Order: sequence, then structure tokens, then C-alpha cells
Amino acid sequence: GENVEQHPSTLSVQEGDSAVIKCTYSDSASNYFPWYKQELGKRPQLIIDIRSNVGEKKDQRIAVTLNKTAKHFSLHITETQPEDSAVYFCAPTPGANNLFFGTGTRLTVIP
Amino acid sequence: NAGVTQTPKFQVLKTGQSMTLQCAQDMNHNSMYWYRQDPGMGLRLIYYSASEGTTDKGEVPNGYNVSRLNKREFSLRLESAAPSQTSVYFCAVRPGTGGRAFFGQGTRLTVV
Repeated sequence: GENVEQHPSTLSVQEGDSAVIKCTYSDSASNYFPWYKQELGKRPQLIIDIRSNVGEKKDQRIAVTLNKTAKHFSLHITETQPEDSAVYFCAPTPGANNLFFGTGTRLTVIP
Repeated sequence: NAGVTQTPKFQVLKTGQSMTLQCAQDMNHNSMYWYRQDPGMGLRLIYYSASEGTTDKGEVPNGYNVSRLNKREFSLRLESAAPSQTSVYFCAVRPGTGGRAFFGQGTRLTVV
């Protein structure tokens, strides 16, 4: 299946700073690139996604950038707030069947 | 409109006991998935079903069986529970054409 890696595995930032999480994948057929946020004790929920025909997408303080040639995409969070503290997962997807998630990145925003 | 519903929310089993985790959706999506998430870990795919009547193994299928009897429901069965199966189990659904996944609220299973 898809080999998905996330870096870093943990990230601590001061409130107001930016955070960047990178997801590297192996399957060149991947065409859908989502990021999920999982707060402590809760279910994962989609926060932003991008399709392969687009290089960047932004939604208020969060953005996703895609480099299909290099097979990686990144989550960018600007002006971080304590409520951004969570575990973030990427899940690059080549089709409608298998759905593999990255190993996760634990983001801690320090007030 | 509940989305994805898992039952039960919590369960304690003794080693060797069996149980079935239920997942039901009202989103009319074709693809359904079962994951396990150990403390502080990521989501590992156990089994998935691309459509009614079909199932396929994921990364960690050993010790589990699944059943997709209709479009709405996808169940996960533990025939003989082991302490190593202590985990939080999530069901997820997704359109058959791909796209975002929607998760149930999870089942916290403890095997003693």
C-alpha cells in the first residue's frame, strides 16, 4: 500500500507563530491530499484538502501546498492558537479504496 | 441525520471472549473502513469495504473479521479477544469516487 511519512512527529510552537507539517508519499497515482485534525479523545475530522490539479489551497489560517513531482504536500498553520493543539494526519489517496493515514504529528501551541 | 454511528462506545472484554462492533451510516457512501488507534499512535487500517458485499484486508487484519451485509452497515468481529486488541476502534466512510472521510465517534475497547 501507500508508504506515507509525516515530519515532524512532534512540534511545539509559541502562540502566534506558524507551524508547518510535511507529508511524503510513495504512490504517484495519488490524486487527493487531505489533512485531518484529531483533538484529544475525539474523532479525526477533515480540516483542508486539495486535489492534484491544484498547487495550493488556503482557508483562513490554514493552507495546504502540493508538490506532485516530489511527492509531498504540507500543512501550514499561521497565527497559531492554543485550540490548534492536536494531532494532525495526512492521508494521500490514489483512489476510492484503500485509505492509509500518515503516522501523525502532535502539535502543541504554547500560550 | 447522524452521519456515522458506532456502537458500543465503551466495552470491556475478558481474554477469549468475542464481540461485534457495529458501524452504521446514513450518508449513502460506498466505501467503509475500520481502524484501530492505540494510545499515542496513528490510525491503522484493519479492513475496508469498497461496496456492499465486498471486503478487503488492510494493514492489521489478524484476529478480526468483518461483514458488509448492506450499504449502511459494516461490522467488525473479534472472535477471541486478546489484550493486544485493547485499542480505540474507528469506523469511517467515504464516497465511492474518493474524497473526504467521515468518522464515527469511536469505540474504546479494553481486553483484560
